[in-house]
Amino acid sequence: EAGVAQSPRYKIIEKRQSVAFWCNPISGHATLYWYQQILGQGPKLLIQFQNNGVVDDSQLPKDRFSAERLKGVDSTLKIQPAKLEDSAVYLCASSSGLAGVDTQYFGPGTRLTVL
Amino acid sequence: GNSVTQMEGPVTLSEEAFLTINCTYTATGYPSLFWYVQYPGEGLQLLLKATKADDKGSNKGFEATYRKETTSFHLEKGSVQVSDSAVYFCALRDNTGTASKLTFGTGTRLQVTL
Repeated sequence: EAGVAQSPRYKIIEKRQSVAFWCNPISGHATLYWYQQILGQGPKLLIQFQNNGVVDDSQLPKDRFSAERLKGVDSTLKIQPAKLEDSAVYLCASSSGLAGVDTQYFGPGTRLTVL
Repeated sequence: GNSVTQMEGPVTLSEEAFLTINCTYTATGYPSLFWYVQYPGEGLQLLLKATKADDKGSNKGFEATYRKETTSFHLEKGSVQVSDSAVYFCALRDNTGTASKLTFGTGTRLQVTL
């Protein structure tokens, strides 16, 4: 079974530029998550989708971050404009969405460096 | 709110030594508890989990027991190998409501030497 796919793996941009990340979850997984992992810290949830609807985006900086999950499969996360403090690894995870067996599987992440 | 506290690293051990990485949590209700591992250059992988009090999760020689009375989920392994060198994250999932986000600790780096 293929895992969670993410691209690009690495991205370097200058501050005030925009950037987008892509995630393809495990086939059939209804729930998709985006986490931000700053160096030396644990991952922090940015947004959770159930199919193509948002369940939790309470920690998403909505003035600059946006995410969508059209058709309930792939998802994109965008930052516009980027700030220095956005330098982090952006992790996508997916789960089946079934109560009681809802293990999250993570992709390899996209490492963003903002100069 | 929910939180997870892990012992700070790095933890440096010789091969075949006994490992303990402490993890305590604060949560409302009855969370599920997890240990994830992150090998160099790779994404997070689920190592083990426990969904209710007194459950013991185990995998690859690692184990952890869900202790509700001490709000702890310490990771142990009897004999570590060089290949266990990685960053270990303790996490909890609040099982109330529809949101199911994981709350992570800051991670503990383990380095095993020959």
